[in-house]
Amino acid sequence: DVKVTQSSRYLVKRTGEKVFLECVQDMDHENMFWYRQDPGLGLRLIYFSYDVKMKEKGDIPEGYSVSREKKERFSLILESASTNQTSMYLCALGRRATGELFFGEGSRLTVL
Amino acid sequence: KQEVTQIPAALSVPEGENLVLNCSFTDSAIYNLQWFRQDPGKGLTSLLLIQSSQREQTSGRLNASLDKSSGRSTLYIAASQPGDSATYLCAGYSGGSNYKLTFGKGTLLTVNP
Repeated sequence: DVKVTQSSRYLVKRTGEKVFLECVQDMDHENMFWYRQDPGLGLRLIYFSYDVKMKEKGDIPEGYSVSREKKERFSLILESASTNQTSMYLCALGRRATGELFFGEGSRLTVL
Repeated sequence: KQEVTQIPAALSVPEGENLVLNCSFTDSAIYNLQWFRQDPGKGLTSLLLIQSSQREQTSGRLNASLDKSSGRSTLYIAASQPGDSATYLCAGYSGGSNYKLTFGKGTLLTVNP
């Protein structure tokens, strides 16, 4: 079974803080994605990576950055958290051969 | 640009009923179509993946079909149970180097005991 692990299920941060969301998967050489999910807006792609040190902007990259130093780990960084970044953040692993996605449990971030 | 629509946004049925969830997409050059389930406050769980060369996939009480010519996919749930209550999302993958899926906004299913 594919396993995608997000390090924190719930976080509460203050405006202006730097926030790291970590995602680890147990498959090698696969694509990784960060989405945010908000009521009424659905899932929106923030960034994705198809290899170590490679990253591509998704639909809403503003205010976020990412890091992929190892194949199994993909981090989402909020350089200076703002209240409009309060959301559910979902990490996913994508199989290149089929495009099939596998999601982690999600990280609920609240920015006060 | 691929767009994915799920109608209705919410559905309530009595336990034991067979039901169909709908997913429509605009670009028929779809590589695959994936169905997910999401419980409140949780991530998405992959249910079924249908490749473009396939017409349907089955897993237990679930059957998903794909009709590229009409731009439609359906998820059939047989003998629904209260534990099936969740949001069901479909997502289309159009292939290519962007590796991105396009998601529908989901159908919230409630199965009443």
